[in-house]
Amino acid sequence: DSGVTQTPKHLITATGQRVTLRCSPRSGDLSVYWYQQSLDQGLQFLIQYYNGEERAKGNILERFSAQQFPDLHSELNLSSLELGDSALYFCASSVATGAGELFFGEGSRLTVL
Amino acid sequence: AQKITQTQPGMFVQEKEAVTLDCTYDTSDQSYGLFWYKQPSSGEMIFLIYQGSYDEQNATEGRYSLNFQKARKSANLVISASQLGDSAMYFCAMRDYGGSQGNLIFGKGTKLSVKP
Repeated sequence: DSGVTQTPKHLITATGQRVTLRCSPRSGDLSVYWYQQSLDQGLQFLIQYYNGEERAKGNILERFSAQQFPDLHSELNLSSLELGDSALYFCASSVATGAGELFFGEGSRLTVL
Repeated sequence: AQKITQTQPGMFVQEKEAVTLDCTYDTSDQSYGLFWYKQPSSGEMIFLIYQGSYDEQNATEGRYSLNFQKARKSANLVISASQLGDSAMYFCAMRDYGGSQGNLIFGKGTKLSVKP
């Protein structure tokens, strides 16, 4: 158990819909990262937050947004969903940005039909 | 630009034998970390081992060791005495410490299958 909690574990929805994925980092971790894992693109970094502020952006679509709340949990919002958004979405956390490993949650598997 | 290359899409190893999974990286930074993660079929990402760019000794964690050759920019994972439970995807990743970001860059992974 990494200590990172992601909900929901599985989600099935239709094209055009909007979903929210939630992540609670390990106790004491200030940094949260979101990754997308699909068969054709591998593990892609989406976005990073540190203590409530956006720190880095990767390959995140404009239809996607995220935020980190004062209690440090984070949400990833995916809107106008397309079939290609079907993937495993991981949240990871670390104490800070500059050292150590990232601890990953179990992922949220999104299926868009 | 940072890049991680894993050239072995799939590997087979006999149970109880050792196996080496290759990883090369590219970065212009001097301070960075190299990581290996295991992803079993259940999907979770499990941290295995870490090597810092300034570490002089190769990292070891139980049956896992990292063969770090800085000049060649390689960070191969060695698994000794393979077990059936080692069958999984293995990802090499890098994290640059020079900037304010801290995200990991991943390779495409190697699928390891352990044969009984």
